[in-house]
Formats: sequence, C-alpha cells, structure tokens
Amino acid sequence: NAGVMQNPRHLVRRRGQEARLRCSPMKGHSHVYWYRQLPEEGLKFMVYLQKENIIDESGMPKERFSAEFPKEGPSILRIQQVVRGDSAAYFCASSPSPANTEAFFGQGTRLTVV
Amino acid sequence: GENVEQHPSTLSVQEGDSAVIKCTYSDSASNYFPWYKQELGKGPQLIIDIRSNVGEKKDQRIAVTLNKTAKHFSLHITETQPEDSAVYFCAALMGTNAGKSTFGDGTTLTVKP
Repeated sequence: NAGVMQNPRHLVRRRGQEARLRCSPMKGHSHVYWYRQLPEEGLKFMVYLQKENIIDESGMPKERFSAEFPKEGPSILRIQQVVRGDSAAYFCASSPSPANTEAFFGQGTRLTVV
Repeated sequence: GENVEQHPSTLSVQEGDSAVIKCTYSDSASNYFPWYKQELGKGPQLIIDIRSNVGEKKDQRIAVTLNKTAKHFSLHITETQPEDSAVYFCAALMGTNAGKSTFGDGTTLTVKP
C-alpha cells in the first residue's frame, strides 16, 4: 500500500509562472489536506478537500491559490503568477475520514521561485 | 483560532542523554495533541499522541505529558540515539480531524554520538 505520493518533489518556477503541485492520497483515503511550510517554520494549514468538494479553505491566500480534488486523479494545488514569497515546501496529507486522528503526510514538493 | 508555541527551536544532546521539547496552546477546547517527527527530505510522521483525558502516555523511549490547566504539553525522549536527530513538531487539534491540526514551529534535535 503506497503512501501519500506528491510530485514533483522539486519545482522551480520563474516569477509570474504557474505552479501545479499534485498529491495522490493513500489508497482508500478520500480526505486530503494541503499545508505550507516556510523555512524554519511549522506547517500551516491551507485547505481541506474531499472528492470534488472543498470543505475548508480558511488557510488559503485569497488570490492566486486554488485547489481541487477531482473524482478521478490526484488533488492539485495551483499557484498562479508565482512570487518569491511562494517559495516553500508544500505538503499534502490524507486520511480515510474526518474522524481519523492520524493524517498521513507525503514527502512534500519544494517550490523555488526565481 | 488556536496558537501553538514550541520551545526550544534547536536542541543538541549527547547520545544517551534525555531530550525534552515543550509546547503551549491557547485554545482550551483543543483535546488532541500529536507529535510528529520530520526527517530531512521527508514528510512529518506521527510518533506519539495524547488526548485531553490522559495526563501521560509512554511508548518505549518516548513519552508525552499534558497539563490541561496550564495548557502545555511536552515530549520526552530518553536514551537518545543519533537516529533520533530530526525536526519534531507538536500540534493541537479540537475534535478528531487530524488534517486540521495547528502545528508548532518545530524543534531541530541533534543527537551527537
């Protein structure tokens, strides 16, 4: 049973480009969470999704950031018109239900904006 | 919302010594407190957790204590080994949805052989 898979592991984008980060949850998990980790800081919750639904996006910046979790395929975190301040590690976690107290994390995508 | 503070930010110990990491939280409604270990280049992994109806929990060399009145909880690692070197994060959660945890800023633990 593969764990949470994130790709790419490293992503370099120039300012103004778009970044797409993908997350495939563990088999049987239908709940996905995205976190951002700035250098030497903890993980900050961004968004919580179920299949085809955004449940909680209270941690998402109001502009340029969006997330989806389609019926088929991975969850996507999309950052439009990236700026240097978007450089961070983005982690995805999944769980089988909201009543589950353990979330399983992927290895993260390290985004560098140059 | 919840705010979690974690100290120290870095900790260096000799192999075999104990390490203690402390966290405080602000929301008295939080009732679940997990600890994660993050090794270099990897995602966080749950190592131990404690619920608000318990004061202490132990798993081999790792223990966690919780003081609900003071709103703080601590991770204790005894007989440290070099492979314990990693970044440790505490978190607090109200309810059961682990994905909604509020994390501390992390402690970088270095265990010197």
